[in-house]
Amino acid sequence: QVQLVESGGGVVQPGGSLRLSCAASGFSLSAYAMHWVRQAPGKGLEWLTVIAADGRDKKYADSVKGRFTISKDSSENTLYVHMGSLRVDDTAVYYCARDLRRIADYYFDLWGQGTLVTVSS
Amino acid sequence: EIVLTQSPATLSLSPGERATLSCRASQNVASYLAWYQQKPGQAPRFLIYGVSNRATGTPARFSGSGSGTDFTLSISSLEPEDFAIYYCQQRSDWPRVTFGGGTKVEI
Repeated sequence: QVQLVESGGGVVQPGGSLRLSCAASGFSLSAYAMHWVRQAPGKGLEWLTVIAADGRDKKYADSVKGRFTISKDSSENTLYVHMGSLRVDDTAVYYCARDLRRIADYYFDLWGQGTLVTVSS
Repeated sequence: EIVLTQSPATLSLSPGERATLSCRASQNVASYLAWYQQKPGQAPRFLIYGVSNRATGTPARFSGSGSGTDFTLSISSLEPEDFAIYYCQQRSDWPRVTFGGGTKVEI
């Protein structure tokens, strides 16, 4: 079954860090660019970061640049995002999403169920 | 940043009626526009890309049109499962991808 399953969300204090995981099944992460997108409670969608299929190229939204790092483990077929210097406004459901193509096309054709990150003291 | 403005914010319709959703871009995004559907408590679902290309599994009652700055998602005859929030998204200015604020289609 082709799917993405996120984990690692939870409650963290401002300034803290957290690592989210996204386990892929039914396809290889080496065949697609992969993204993280978030949605604050009751709000719209915000693209955060992308990693190329070969893992070499990574790009970030200005809102998370220097604080978040995307990576993947091809042997485990798992995508990660390490989030540091967390702020209250980083509170959101975080989704991993597959790109439509191997070379990032920035269309998201498969989404995980999301994992909630709450930044609060 | 390219701002996408969706209208109306809420569309109240009945099953069987036609829905017309609008997405306006603050700058020309050519044909680099997609639509997603999201139901409460669920992840977004990919519907349409490149303005008018239906994603795998998207029913034929969904269609997209437009170019440049003005785009439309049409649902020809609403089914009960179509009541949801719909988001447009541009990838013209990658990686500065942006989404619209959403249109809620309610019964």
